[in-house]
Amino acid sequence: DTAVSQTPKYLVTQMGNDKSIKCEQNLGHDTMYWYKQDSKKFLKIMFSYNNKELIINETVPNRFSPKSPDKAHLNLHINSLELGDSAVYFCASSQGIQGNYGYTFGSGTRLTVV
Amino acid sequence: QQQVKQSPQSLIVQKGGISIINCAYENTAFDYFPWYQQFPGKGPALLIAIRPDVSEKKEGRFTISFNKSAKQFSLHIMDSQPGDSATYFCAAGPSGTYKYIFGTGTRLKVLA
Repeated sequence: DTAVSQTPKYLVTQMGNDKSIKCEQNLGHDTMYWYKQDSKKFLKIMFSYNNKELIINETVPNRFSPKSPDKAHLNLHINSLELGDSAVYFCASSQGIQGNYGYTFGSGTRLTVV
Repeated sequence: QQQVKQSPQSLIVQKGGISIINCAYENTAFDYFPWYQQFPGKGPALLIAIRPDVSEKKEGRFTISFNKSAKQFSLHIMDSQPGDSATYFCAAGPSGTYKYIFGTGTRLKVLA
């Protein structure tokens, strides 16, 4: 059983389109995250939800909107996609306040905007 | 004060050798220091972590050394194997928050 699963794994789309990435975790964790990994492998947090409540919202264009229907799911919707949005997006989860058990990451969604 | 500096950017080691990756942080409020291992096409996976109340933590072939006064910590991989070839990320953050600062990653290649 996959602990943190993301769909789709690959996403190729044209500039200006709107797309969504879905994430689900079956670990019973109460906190979920979206990270962006750029072409240089740099990992940057975008959002975090704890029990469906937004707790971290980094400086991210408002074209990006996360939604957490329940604590096992965290989706990312991106409007008006731009070339610079091309990256690998990772979903992650943790139990409680980070620093106790670390994060469990999904396998990533490689987004390519053409 | 929010940066975590990681070096080297890439590292090539012979099988059986010792791989050493270093990280430095600036924020004295940071008190949790994990290392993540990422294989191509996969997400990062927690490898080992340390808190500043100890200077060293060992799990199998992986050891974290921590120098609180210098605000530095490092990952040592003993008897490096080709299967250890991956990208390694250090991270740091204060307990009680929900985010780490990740280092920029080190691409390790272990030659057979």
